[in-house]
Amino acid sequence: GAGVSQSPSNKVTEKGKDVELRCDPISGHTALYWYRQRLGQGLEFLIYFQGNSAPDKSGLPSDRFSAERTGESVSTLTIQRTQQEDSAVYLCASSLYILGYEKLFFGSGTQLSVL
Amino acid sequence: GESVGLHLPTLSVQEGDNSIINCAYSNSASDYFIWYKQESGKGPQFIIDIRSNMDKRQGQRVTVLLNKTVKHLSLQIAATQPGDSAVYFCAEGSPGAQKLVFGQGTRLTINP
Repeated sequence: GAGVSQSPSNKVTEKGKDVELRCDPISGHTALYWYRQRLGQGLEFLIYFQGNSAPDKSGLPSDRFSAERTGESVSTLTIQRTQQEDSAVYLCASSLYILGYEKLFFGSGTQLSVL
Repeated sequence: GESVGLHLPTLSVQEGDNSIINCAYSNSASDYFIWYKQESGKGPQFIIDIRSNMDKRQGQRVTVLLNKTVKHLSLQIAATQPGDSAVYFCAEGSPGAQKLVFGQGTRLTINP
């Protein structure tokens, strides 16, 4: 595809429900990031996948958050037992990592609202 | 370092004036730096980047300056236009690093 695609674009859920957010990276991009952005705030790193290396999960805020990526394709971010504090935009980005240099391409994000 | 839980600082400029957005980076080993622009409701978009072997790089109406001595990066926007209103993020990367690290972000607002 032309860019990073995220779905759904908006998700409204009830407190306590599980949600799954999807990211389709640019074909051939080896690295994939998930960020959380609360209203009026900066980018909060969540998790990073790079090729076949073990993912960097250091930004996941709790064990309710998990993410998977199969090879260099689609990634899903799962939030279990959602809380109101999880309301935010979740951004995905992919990049091509060559010789220590990478440029990220972001999707438009999923706006998650937990009622 | 990563921007978490902080409301964004704001820079207000008059339309037509030049804007300067600053960023202090944390890792003296960082080898390249990138500026991103995030418009309302969209994901961040690449603006310009610079490698550590350069002090200055120019694009269309934008210039990035790098001062490695004080670990400071700036983005200059010439003749600011209403379409420049956005949040601007700097990011740093280093050889062997596992991921890019984003700065706090600055909200640029344009006064007519």
